[in-house]
Amino acid sequence: DQQVKQNSPSLSVQEGRISILNCDYTNSMFDYFLWYKKYPAEGPTFLISISSIKDKNEDGRFTVFLNKSAKHLSLHIVPSQPGDSAVYFCAASLTSGTYKYIFGTGTRLKVLA
Amino acid sequence: EPEVTQTPSHQVTQMGQEVILRCVPISNHLYFYWYRQILGQKVEFLVSFYNNEISEKSEIFDDQFSVERPDGSNFTLKIRSTKLEDSAMYFCASRRGQLETQYFGPGTRLLVL
Repeated sequence: DQQVKQNSPSLSVQEGRISILNCDYTNSMFDYFLWYKKYPAEGPTFLISISSIKDKNEDGRFTVFLNKSAKHLSLHIVPSQPGDSAVYFCAASLTSGTYKYIFGTGTRLKVLA
Repeated sequence: EPEVTQTPSHQVTQMGQEVILRCVPISNHLYFYWYRQILGQKVEFLVSFYNNEISEKSEIFDDQFSVERPDGSNFTLKIRSTKLEDSAMYFCASRRGQLETQYFGPGTRLLVL
């Protein structure tokens, strides 16, 4: 089951620069997308979400872009900070039914000071 | 800020033994979920629960698994006869209502020997 894919297992970025994390999905029925951040030995922490009726949502340093035709979303973090170092998961959902999340495999972001 | 809590944080058990993982969702939340993450893999949906019944379960959630909300605050996942492949982090999540974000607990690390 590869409905949600994050093709980059890891990413290193210099502090202050932009981090771009990518996510692709295959199910065109998905209509809600989220990004979660996860530190070791902790649960996923919600970061930002976007509905399929939008193509961009911004919250402080975090912006999520959605390209429905390409079935692609990305998370931009700018400026990146060392505390942003974590594993980032994208998730997709249908807003009907049980609203379960389908997660990608995660991208480990390391922000270098 | 209210949060989802889980106990125990770690559990070691022998193959074939029963385990019960406990979760206390956020108090005004109505929808409850269990997910698991096998080491190095993605977070996978197990089951969703609403109005005192299972609303959806995945293929992983076979007859060895059960969930219960025995009182107004706890939400439990029972594995009747654990297998080696049940070793994973188990995350509980809850959300308040339709289209609301799921909030995750810190997880229980289960090790089956």
